Amino acid sequence: SQQGEEDPQALSIQEGENATMNCSYKTSINNLQWYRQNSGRGLVHLILIRSNEREKHSGRLRVTLDTSKKSSSLLITASRAADTASYFCAPRPYDMRFGAGTRLTVKP
Amino acid sequence: DTGVSQNPRHKITKRGQNVTFRCDPISEHNRLYWYRQTLGQGPEFLTYFQNEAQLEKSRLLSDRFSAERPKGSFSTLEIQRTEQGDSAMYLCASLDHYGTGGGYTFGSGTRLTVV
Repeated sequence: SQQGEEDPQALSIQEGENATMNCSYKTSINNLQWYRQNSGRGLVHLILIRSNEREKHSGRLRVTLDTSKKSSSLLITASRAADTASYFCAPRPYDMRFGAGTRLTVKP
Repeated sequence: DTGVSQNPRHKITKRGQNVTFRCDPISEHNRLYWYRQTLGQGPEFLTYFQNEAQLEKSRLLSDRFSAERPKGSFSTLEIQRTEQGDSAMYLCASLDHYGTGGGYTFGSGTRLTVV
C-alpha cells in the first residue's frame, strides 16, 4: 500500500496570500493526486500529476512533483476564504490510503 | 449518473444494534472503496472491490464489519453490534480502474452516531 504524508498539519493565512503544502511518500508511483475536503463532506479530486511530469497547473493551483525526493507540493495562489478545507495527497497505485492531511484556514 | 451516492446521510443508532449503509458508485466505475473518517483525521481505508470481488480488507477492520457488492454495482457496508467507537463518517469512493488515470469520486458520506 502507499500513503502520502502531508505537511504542515495545519496552516493559517490571510485571504490573498499563497498557501503551500507538501506531501512525501515512500515508494515509486505512477501518479499522485491531490484532494480537498470541506468540513463534513466527501473528498473532491483537485489535480493529478503523472510520474513523468514535474509541474502542473489548474487555475489557481500549481502542483510540483519530484520523484527523486519522493515529494510533491501544492500551491494555492491568491487564496480565498472558500479555500478553507483539508487537503490530502494520494500517491497511486490503486490501493488508496490517505494521511492526516493539511488543514488550511484562510482568514477573510 | 453524475456522482457517487451514499445513503443514509446520517444514522443514529443505539449501541449493540446493526446498521447498514449503501453506496451507489458511478455506473461505469469498476472499483469501489470504503473508508472511515473521524474528526481531524484522514480517511482510513476499510476495503475495496473490483467489480463484485472484494480484493482487500483492512486488518484493522473487526469481524463486525462486512461489505458486499453483489452485482458489481452498488455496495453495502454492515456493522454488527455497533460500539461507540464506530461513530464516524463512512465514505465511499469509486474509480474507473481501466480509465485514463482520473481521480477517485467520493460520495458525501454517511455519518454514524452510536449512542
